[in-house]
Amino acid sequence: DIVMTQTPLSSPVTLGQPASISCRSSQSLVHSDGNTYLSWLQQRPGQPPRLLIYKISNRFSGVPDRFSGSGAGTDFTLKISRVEAEDVGVYYCTQATQFPQTFGGGTKVEIK
Amino acid sequence: EVQLVESGGGLVQPGGSLRLSCAASGFTFSSYWMSWVRQAPGKGLEWVANIKQDGSEKYYVDSVKGRFTISRDNAKNSLYLQMNSLRAEDTAVYYCARDYRVFRYWGQGTLVTVSS
Repeated sequence: DIVMTQTPLSSPVTLGQPASISCRSSQSLVHSDGNTYLSWLQQRPGQPPRLLIYKISNRFSGVPDRFSGSGAGTDFTLKISRVEAEDVGVYYCTQATQFPQTFGGGTKVEIK
Repeated sequence: EVQLVESGGGLVQPGGSLRLSCAASGFTFSSYWMSWVRQAPGKGLEWVANIKQDGSEKYYVDSVKGRFTISRDNAKNSLYLQMNSLRAEDTAVYYCARDYRVFRYWGQGTLVTVSS
């Protein structure tokens, strides 16, 4: 199985400041169809996960443009340009290039 | 508006069975792969199973193979997860999610607790 490793485990951020989360996969996530099936999910406290970004950098419907994704191959990054209070929660990267789909361990974003 | 509503969770003894349901609305259910994803208390996410639009293909994580069965009823816009021989490590919130490879929509989840 592909192992997804996220860093940091926790990210205390000042409101209005940027935040960055890294995700590294144990194998390349480039699929034979040319796509890279790397997504980012947000899970606010007490809520189900919510899709933010898919295929590295595509924002899902309704996701604010302060969220952006980048990367290639085995290294990926989620950036929040200016953290707002509603961004508090745990963020997960997930790969669906190779069966079975696997998730990173999560990064907790909290306000300083 | 896409809605996924899970039900059927609860407390069950080790070795017991439970059937989860997910009622879908707001989209053409029969056009999409569907999945189950679980989250143990205080832990991360784990994909459990998924099923093709017509039910002809089903896939499972190794830890539930032979114990869990995913199914769907397109006429009722419903997804199911039959869980047998339950173990303590199956304790989790179970979410249904739409799509394959990219989970665009999630339900609120239903809690399954396996304990004596």
